[in-house]
Amino acid sequence: DAGITQSPRHKVTETGTPVTLRCHQTENHRYMYWYRQDPGHGLRLIHYSYGVKDTDKGEVSDGYSVSRSKTEDFLLTLESATSSQTSVYFCATRESGGETQPQHFGDGTRLSIL
Amino acid sequence: RKEVEQDPGPFNVPEGATVAFNCTYSNSASQSFFWYRQDCRKEPKLLMSVYSSGNEDGRFTAQLNRASQYISLLIRDSKLSDSATYLCVVNQAGTALIFGKGTTLSVSS
Repeated sequence: DAGITQSPRHKVTETGTPVTLRCHQTENHRYMYWYRQDPGHGLRLIHYSYGVKDTDKGEVSDGYSVSRSKTEDFLLTLESATSSQTSVYFCATRESGGETQPQHFGDGTRLSIL
Repeated sequence: RKEVEQDPGPFNVPEGATVAFNCTYSNSASQSFFWYRQDCRKEPKLLMSVYSSGNEDGRFTAQLNRASQYISLLIRDSKLSDSATYLCVVNQAGTALIFGKGTTLSVSS
């Protein structure tokens, strides 16, 4: 989606290092989400935000933290990366207007933890 | 029981064929339903929302059966460009989207 930018697109790092992924949106959407996608599991929700400074945990939140200081930015941090966090990470946004509104995804970040 | 189940496929069909994908969901409180398409190494993209009365978008038709907790996607006149993984997605109460693992379609000439 042209309005959602994830950075970096690719990252390789070592176990134990901190990693921060950024999601930036120009859609002014209220809701933002971080997912990970792994073979055999499909997409799983890590954390989500329903407004500036308002966040909550998803299905697989252990080992991850998030922050949202501005409407347009949602950061995902791995405080001390582990090999099990090697994955493809997708950010998504949704406008207000109820749960019938679909989510739209960024291009993804491929993260490898060695 | 898994929350959203799909036949993983792969479905291998010739151009012009009609193909149908099925999806079942376990939570009867589910409120919104979608089909997403995901190309290899790309992000999921919304294909269509699924409405209670069923809906059509060109060659694509989606159906919802709440009593059976069943969603379907029908693709008519398949094109090479339809080759992708199709994700069944269900929104339960709250903000969580639950994704199926996807059904892979390969259309050949």
